[in-house]
Amino acid sequence: GNSVTQMEGPVTLSEEAFLTINCTYTATGYPSLFWYVQYPGEGLQLLLKATKADDKGSNKGFEATYRKETTSFHLEKGSVQVSDSAVYFCALRGSNFGNEKLTFGTGTRLTIIP
Amino acid sequence: DTGVSQDPRHKITKRGQNVTFRCDPISEHNRLYWYRQTLGQGPEFLTYFQNEAQLEKSRLLSDRFSAERPKGSFSTLEIQRTEQGDSAMYLCASSLEGGKSSDTQYFGPGTRLTVL
Repeated sequence: GNSVTQMEGPVTLSEEAFLTINCTYTATGYPSLFWYVQYPGEGLQLLLKATKADDKGSNKGFEATYRKETTSFHLEKGSVQVSDSAVYFCALRGSNFGNEKLTFGTGTRLTIIP
Repeated sequence: DTGVSQDPRHKITKRGQNVTFRCDPISEHNRLYWYRQTLGQGPEFLTYFQNEAQLEKSRLLSDRFSAERPKGSFSTLEIQRTEQGDSAMYLCASSLEGGKSSDTQYFGPGTRLTVL
């Protein structure tokens, strides 16, 4: 079945540091890949997505590139802010009919220190 | 769009009681999903509907769990004879199959269940 392996946290960085959160996946076919974010006290929000190999998703300064050769979708940001403190989830959606549910990683808690 | 809403936001119950949660999806969305999230974990799929048809159920969904979407709009998730292991956040999501972003699911705020 499908699975997502995500970099374990927690991760603590200083403001303006470079961020990478690793995500690799196992799936058949060509899944869609997502990063969701959960801010304190809030629900899951879609951060970015990519639907095919070599696509780059981007939003709010975050980027992730769909690498089929390494089955990876690492999240990056060049300069983090305190407001980026949240839990980040990598997820995939299967490409086959009847396999559209999301499979999530365990989440990475990110804390940014001023 | 008003977003996905869930009710109640919090529920505390005693072991053995039945509970029911409601989810209202984004109005034009034809797909509705239920997930469960325990502390420190990512959400796990439970079941999903396309319109009123329940298309898939996870093995996680024991016989004590039942979900309905009778008119293809809101959905309910019922847990009978609750157990302490049912304590979790129950998340609802919706999407528009066949739409421009049919692969994107939008999540509600969740219902946090505590079973004493």
